[in-house]
Amino acid sequence: DTGVSQDPRHKITKRGQNVTFRCDPISEHNRLYWYRQTLGQGPEFLTYFQNEAQLEKSRLLSDRFSAERPKGSFSTLEIQRTEQGDSAMYLCASSQAGTGTSYEQYFGPGTRLTVT
Amino acid sequence: KNEVEQSPQNLTAQEGEFITINCSYSVGISALHWLQQHPGGGIVSLFMLSSGKKKHGRLIATINIQEKHSSLHITASHPRDSAVYICAVSKNYGGATNKLIFGTGTLLAVQP
Repeated sequence: DTGVSQDPRHKITKRGQNVTFRCDPISEHNRLYWYRQTLGQGPEFLTYFQNEAQLEKSRLLSDRFSAERPKGSFSTLEIQRTEQGDSAMYLCASSQAGTGTSYEQYFGPGTRLTVT
Repeated sequence: KNEVEQSPQNLTAQEGEFITINCSYSVGISALHWLQQHPGGGIVSLFMLSSGKKKHGRLIATINIQEKHSSLHITASHPRDSAVYICAVSKNYGGATNKLIFGTGTLLAVQP
């Protein structure tokens, strides 16, 4: 297994455009997480999936953001009508699933978005 | 107040020094994670612990659940240890554990 991959690694877009990012988790991992990290800060939770079900969304995820995991494998994060405040590193992570315990999360390399 | 606080925010050390990074949290957790992030790079998990102490090579992580405090130690530091070290917790949702809550990170620079 090559780990968690994300595509693209870098994206520069003009304000108002739509962008879509992709994350491919480790194949046997049921859980997939999206986080956002701005410069000099720790990552912040956006949303997570268990298989294809989106189980939690942060208040940070405005209605311009949408995430899918249609077949419980890869996931996409779309931002519509991008704003300069959306400029950040978007991180994807995956883990095994289970109740009553925690599992290590494995992170992808991130997609750095710059909105001009 | 952030649920996860780290100190110091920045740390400069000379090669060979013993380094300690601290993390305090204010919520019930099921586990605490120490992560490493190199500039422009992704995040690598160093430790996940819910009690006691773990050691991997020159890295040691400890946690005191009663005091809600954890420390990451690096022995015999080396310039290649230079990175951002991030503390994160998995909140305890009464059995269902999922998202991580992160500290702001500690930027470590080890000078030769």
